[in-house]
Amino acid sequence: QVQLVQSGAEVKKPGASVKVSCKASGYTFTSYDIHWVRQATGQGLEWMGWMNPNSGNTGYAQKFQGRVTITRNTPISTAYMELSSLRSEDTAVYYCARRGLGAYTYGGVLNWFDPWGQGTLVTVSS
Amino acid sequence: DIQMTQSPSSLSASVGDRVTITCRASQSISNFLNWYQQKPGKAPKLLIYAASSLQSGVPSRFSGSGSGTDFTLTISSLQPEDFATYYCQQSYITEYTFGQGTKLEIQ
Repeated sequence: QVQLVQSGAEVKKPGASVKVSCKASGYTFTSYDIHWVRQATGQGLEWMGWMNPNSGNTGYAQKFQGRVTITRNTPISTAYMELSSLRSEDTAVYYCARRGLGAYTYGGVLNWFDPWGQGTLVTVSS
Repeated sequence: DIQMTQSPSSLSASVGDRVTITCRASQSISNFLNWYQQKPGKAPKLLIYAASSLQSGVPSRFSGSGSGTDFTLTISSLQPEDFATYYCQQSYITEYTFGQGTKLEIQ
């Protein structure tokens, strides 16, 4: 079955960087974009960025521009999200998700996130 | 950015009730609207995509409707496993945004 499995929890000090992995299985890794979304404890969902695993093209939310980098290792079907200059407000669960595509309509191609990885808790604390 | 506003933020209901959650976009997004269910400690799960299409494996008591700026998620007869938080998401522009969530609690 289609599955995304993420790396384990991390504890980092302010100013450090963290790199979270997301290993895909059950489908052709290069056929679907991977997106990253985070969720602070008790809060909502916040989109961070995306990557096309085939081309390596990326796009980032304005809020995270300059601090986030999404990469991939195609032979092992794994995507990575690295967040730098960590601060306490970056404490959150980080999710990867596969972007599914549907029909082309007037506004573009319908799309959604499915499935999601299980999440990786990143704690930033001195 | 496109702002997504859900209402209510929380809702108490009983098993068997019919429940409706609304989501409003700050500009027209056609039918580029998805709904997710999230249970505590778990990743979000896709319920409805393209405003009204039921994801495979999702029970038919879930339905979605709307287009443009106003959307609804309806659960026709609440089951115990439906108590969770629900999020809408616009996928019209790449700077994806989610509603703030609706927490559905047992009355």
